[in-house]
Amino acid sequence: EAGVAQSPRYKIIEKRQSVAFWCNPISGHATLYWYQQILGQGPKLLIQFQNNGVVDDSQLPKDRFSAERLKGVDSTLKIQPAKLEDSAVYLCASSLVAGAVDTQYFGPGTRLTVL
Amino acid sequence: AQSVTQLGSHVSVSEGALVLLRCNYSSSVPPYLFWYVQYPNQGLQLLLKYTSAATLVKGINGFEAEFKKSETSFHLTKPSAHMSDAAEYFCAVSRNAGNMLTFGGGTRLMVKP
Repeated sequence: EAGVAQSPRYKIIEKRQSVAFWCNPISGHATLYWYQQILGQGPKLLIQFQNNGVVDDSQLPKDRFSAERLKGVDSTLKIQPAKLEDSAVYLCASSLVAGAVDTQYFGPGTRLTVL
Repeated sequence: AQSVTQLGSHVSVSEGALVLLRCNYSSSVPPYLFWYVQYPNQGLQLLLKYTSAATLVKGINGFEAEFKKSETSFHLTKPSAHMSDAAEYFCAVSRNAGNMLTFGGGTRLMVKP
């Protein structure tokens, strides 16, 4: 079974530029999550999708971050414009069961450096 | 609100020694608790989870954790450390609904030969 795929693996941009990350969850997984992991800290949930609807985006900085999950499969996370403090690893995860406690499977992450 | 505290951002043990990584949680409802491991440049991998069944939970790679409600703890242990156990370990808590994880700050485990 293929795992969660993310691309790109690394991205370096200058502040005020835009960037997008892509995630392909495990086939059949209803729920998709985006986390931000700043160096030396644990992951912080940014947004959770259930199929193609948003369950929770309370910690997403909506003035600069946006995310979508088209057709309930792939997802894209965008930052526009980026700030220095956005430098982090962005992790995508998926789980099979919607609306219940279930194991989350994580992708390898995208490491973003903002200069 | 719920939170997780991992005591000790770095833990160093000798190969063959006991591994003990500490996790304390606060939650307004009976929690679901998880331990994840992260190897360099990789995503997180589930080690074990507590979902209100047996309080002693066995996971992969010889790890286990015990849920102690009275101490609000979920410490991770392994009887004998291997070099391959060197990684970052994260404790996390979730509520029943929504499956949204709140992670602790992580503990980096170093294993000395």
